[in-house]
Amino acid sequence: NAGVMQNPRHLVRRRGQEARLRCSPMKGHSHVYWYRQLPEEGLKFMVYLQKENIIDESGMPKERFSAEFPKEGPSILRIQQVVRGDSAAYFCASSPGEGRIIQYFGAGTRLSVL
Amino acid sequence: DQQVKQNSPSLSVQEGRISILNCDYTNSMFDYFLWYKKYPAEGPTFLISISSIKDKNEDGRFTVFLNKSAKHLSLHIVPSQPGDSAVYFCAASEGNNDMRFGAGTRLTVKP
Repeated sequence: NAGVMQNPRHLVRRRGQEARLRCSPMKGHSHVYWYRQLPEEGLKFMVYLQKENIIDESGMPKERFSAEFPKEGPSILRIQQVVRGDSAAYFCASSPGEGRIIQYFGAGTRLSVL
Repeated sequence: DQQVKQNSPSLSVQEGRISILNCDYTNSMFDYFLWYKKYPAEGPTFLISISSIKDKNEDGRFTVFLNKSAKHLSLHIVPSQPGDSAVYFCAASEGNNDMRFGAGTRLTVKP
């Protein structure tokens, strides 16, 4: 499967635990984006990363949320000390960059906080 | 700040008729616009796009119209098919790869 891969598809955490969401971009893509979709709402931009660099994190909550895209391996969205309001679908997208701005999405990770 | 707005949360049309989904934006610097389709439990999939230098782009049953002066774009699907039933997201970018999405419109095509 050459598409954007996200895992896990479903993640259940108790309040106060940590959630780690992984995203492997499409082959050849060096730009990764994370979005959050709350129930009955649209996609909200969170962060845009290139390899080893955060380009735009204007949509990230100031606390508890962090993202990385290391030189090797998948991009990770990390949520510390989760709260019930973090329950949402988190989508990752990738693009080749360099002016090609069509983003290709993964199937998402649905986070449920108990 | 909601720079991209889809004011109709839902739309229902009869199979074979035209579906028109609307989108408004506030940022005049947006220069690329896209429509994505999303089925339940799946990620959004790219449908069609348009550059700000054009006012129309057509791909099969799908046509996107852009009215820059009104900061408005629309997606026309004709003829509509039951398999088109999905949530449609309008998106816009300012050329630096950041993209902003609308809240989506749920299209239901009735057989």
